[in-house]
Amino acid sequence: DTEVTQTPKHLVMGMTNKKSLKCEQHMGHRAMYWYKQKAKKPPELMFVYSYEKLSINESVPSRFSPECPNSSLLNLHLHALQPEDSALYLCASSQDPADGLGYTFGSGTRLTVV
Amino acid sequence: AQKVTQAQTEISVVEKEDVTLDCVYETRDTTYYLFWYKQPPSGELVFLIRRNSFDEQNEISGRYSWNFQKSTSSFNFTITASQVVDSAVYFCALSEAGTSNTGKLIFGQGTTLQVKP
Repeated sequence: DTEVTQTPKHLVMGMTNKKSLKCEQHMGHRAMYWYKQKAKKPPELMFVYSYEKLSINESVPSRFSPECPNSSLLNLHLHALQPEDSALYLCASSQDPADGLGYTFGSGTRLTVV
Repeated sequence: AQKVTQAQTEISVVEKEDVTLDCVYETRDTTYYLFWYKQPPSGELVFLIRRNSFDEQNEISGRYSWNFQKSTSSFNFTITASQVVDSAVYFCALSEAGTSNTGKLIFGQGTTLQVKP
């Protein structure tokens, strides 16, 4: 299995809703990432988990809450989002953050906040 | 600070033409990795190549080739005999290497390639 699987593929949520994005990989990778991509822009890093510990938080608002329950799974919990948070959310994994080997992206979740 | 510049915002070619996508990077690190990704309209980022800073050998994979030149801090990507299926946004990216590496990829702004039949 050489894939990073993200669910759901599309999500529409209201500003008062709570929802979660899920990311899974079974490649034995020890680093997992969340990126946010606005239309016609490059992806921007949000969080890095290294060996199941949060190692990087790029000053992301607290309405985004990451969670890494185990080495294969990464969640992004969403609460009280704003319309400007509408974007493509990409999950990625790599063997180790130190070498970038096998850096693989999922197909993303297209989030619309209404 | 690390930076990646893709000066070409959009490129349009006719099928079977060759096309080169430019990438210039800035970093103070002596050890780093460079990547190219393809993003079709479906949204997934498809890995094309990873190159470490100590390996300046050019690489060819089918119709794709990459020219890495540390002297000019460039990592250009050429598609030979382009096809309509090559139409996508292409991103060049940079990351640090070694124990201090956070795993963060710094992306260029992307180049939108349109290949017309």
